[in-house]
Formats: sequence, structure tokens, C-alpha cells
Amino acid sequence: KNEVEQSPQNLTAQEGEFITINCSYSVGISALHWLQQHPGGGIVSLFMLSSGKKKHGRLIATINIQEKHSSLHITASHPRDSAVYICAGRPNTGNQFYFGTGTSLTVIP
Amino acid sequence: NAGVTQTPKFRILKIGQSMTLQCTQDMNHNYMYWYRQDPGMGLKLIYYSVGAGITDKGEVPNGYNVSRSTTEDFPLRLELAAPSQTSVYFCATGTATYEQYFGPGTRLTVT
Repeated sequence: KNEVEQSPQNLTAQEGEFITINCSYSVGISALHWLQQHPGGGIVSLFMLSSGKKKHGRLIATINIQEKHSSLHITASHPRDSAVYICAGRPNTGNQFYFGTGTSLTVIP
Repeated sequence: NAGVTQTPKFRILKIGQSMTLQCTQDMNHNYMYWYRQDPGMGLKLIYYSVGAGITDKGEVPNGYNVSRSTTEDFPLRLELAAPSQTSVYFCATGTATYEQYFGPGTRLTVT
């Protein structure tokens, strides 16, 4: 069993829809990282958060450390948002991250 | 700033050959990581470094070696390549708050 689980694995949305990707984890973590992997393979950092909520443009990330759950929301989705979204938890001890397997998002015009 | 650069982008190795994947950063980050990404799997940590001269094993270190003689460079060495090492390899740096910045990746095939 993975320490970090994402849902859904695959998601198809119409342009303009509100999207939610969920990340839950079974270990205690001090911070959670949301990443975006483009179809070409490059990985970009979106958010690093340890509590509450962060917003950047149309992207919003929330985390509840006690409930071991984080969500990534995309408002007014656009085809350029099509990518794989990965969450990774940093445990309370150690220098490693535990990575989810990713959510593949396709936004249709 | 180039950020994190990796070379080569693609490589095909024969079983038993060796090679070094290069990773260089100009962000002055102390933390550096090597990951492999297999289809349908999450990123797996191979080795990491918290600073020049300090390296440690990650989750899947067997078959690999690293060194960190400078802040900028963190090469990954594959000795005696095996088909199980066919993967996409990512190098990343990390800030003091652990946010990671990834290189473009190296796609390696061992046949």
C-alpha cells in the first residue's frame, strides 16, 4: 500500500469546469507538495503547504494535517491544464518524500 | 538561470554497460535528489544529498552510486546496467523549506 494515495487516477473535464483532485496519506507529514507533470514529461512545483490554503491564479490547494488529506482545485479549467498532477508528502522525520502515482487530467475544449 | 539541467536527454544502454547521468544546478540549493519514474508508478527516490560531501540512500539505491563534490553537481552512476533500470530519471533540488525543482529528465532504455 502506498503511503500517499491520490484520487481519481484519471479525470476528464469540459473546459470551464471546477476540478478537484484529492490526496490522502497514511503517515504523519510535515508538508505536502503539489506538482504538475506536463505531457512532455517536465515536472513543475505548484504548491508546498503545511497548513491551511494557498492560491495561485486559478489553482487552490488545501490541507488538513490532522485528517491527513489535501485537495487541489482548479477553477475555470482550460485545455492547457491537461497534465498529470502529483502530490508528495514529506514525513515528520527523514529527508524523503512519499509520492502519489498521479492524477491524469484531460480538459476538453 | 538555467535551474536544473540534466544530460543526456535520452540514452540506450546494453546490458552490463555503465554510464553516468549528469545533473547540475545553479540555484545554490543544498538539497539534491535523484528519482526514477516507472510507468504507472510514483516517483521513487534513489539517492539524495543534503550538501556537498554528504549523500544518503533513498528507497531504491541498488545498482546506483552518487557523489556530491560540489554544491552544483550531483551525478548518478549506473554500474552494470540491467533491463530493470529502464526508466525516466529525474534530478531535483530542494530549498530549505523542501520545495523541489526538477530537471527535464533522462529517458534510459537498457536492452
